[in-house]
Amino acid sequence: DAGITQSPRHKVTETGTPVTLRCHQTENHRYMYWYRQDPGHGLRLIHYSYGVKDTDKGEVSDGYSVSRSKTEDFLLTLESATSSQTSVYFCAISVTKGGAGTGELFFGEGSRLTVL
Amino acid sequence: QQQVKQSPQSLIVQKGGISIINCAYENTAFDYFPWYQQFPGKGPALLIAIRPDVSEKKEGRFTISFNKSAKQFSLHIMDSQPGDSATYFCAASKGSSASKIIFGSGTRLSIRP
Repeated sequence: DAGITQSPRHKVTETGTPVTLRCHQTENHRYMYWYRQDPGHGLRLIHYSYGVKDTDKGEVSDGYSVSRSKTEDFLLTLESATSSQTSVYFCAISVTKGGAGTGELFFGEGSRLTVL
Repeated sequence: QQQVKQSPQSLIVQKGGISIINCAYENTAFDYFPWYQQFPGKGPALLIAIRPDVSEKKEGRFTISFNKSAKQFSLHIMDSQPGDSATYFCAASKGSSASKIIFGSGTRLSIRP
């Protein structure tokens, strides 16, 4: 399972409140990703990180911010949650071999967020 | 041009039958085409992947067929089993950078015993 732990696994919150989801990995992988999964849309990349304090935007980054102060932790923050952010959020890591990416993603088990 | 279109959205197959899921893409720069399998309550996991230098790749009961000229690729599951019931995502990317992977919308496969 690539040693990925997501927390919380389930959360219900109200519109306008801040929410932080945590992704923790134990295998010192450089690349980490946050996706959201919605019916009919597959998996869409929110933000990703290629090292400590190095992050970049993905396809659907509006309304989200991330931080990576340690190799093992990648945090996703919704500053002011909206109902459109109700989704299942997946953290993932990718493996490199010889410094080059293999293209394979390993996913955590997901965090289901409901915004009322 | 960045989209990967996947069909059908859902599929029911009898045990022992062949399950077929199709995907189409437009960006000819894509050169890596993985399929992910996801069971309920779990994250997706890589099932099988192909690069465009071959037209077919087989791993056990799972086969990817790739048609470069038509910009289409498909997943075939032979002798489908109830344990194959899951959601399947096709994807495409340029190069090996995982940040460039574009996923299809997913197919929910149910195998009837």
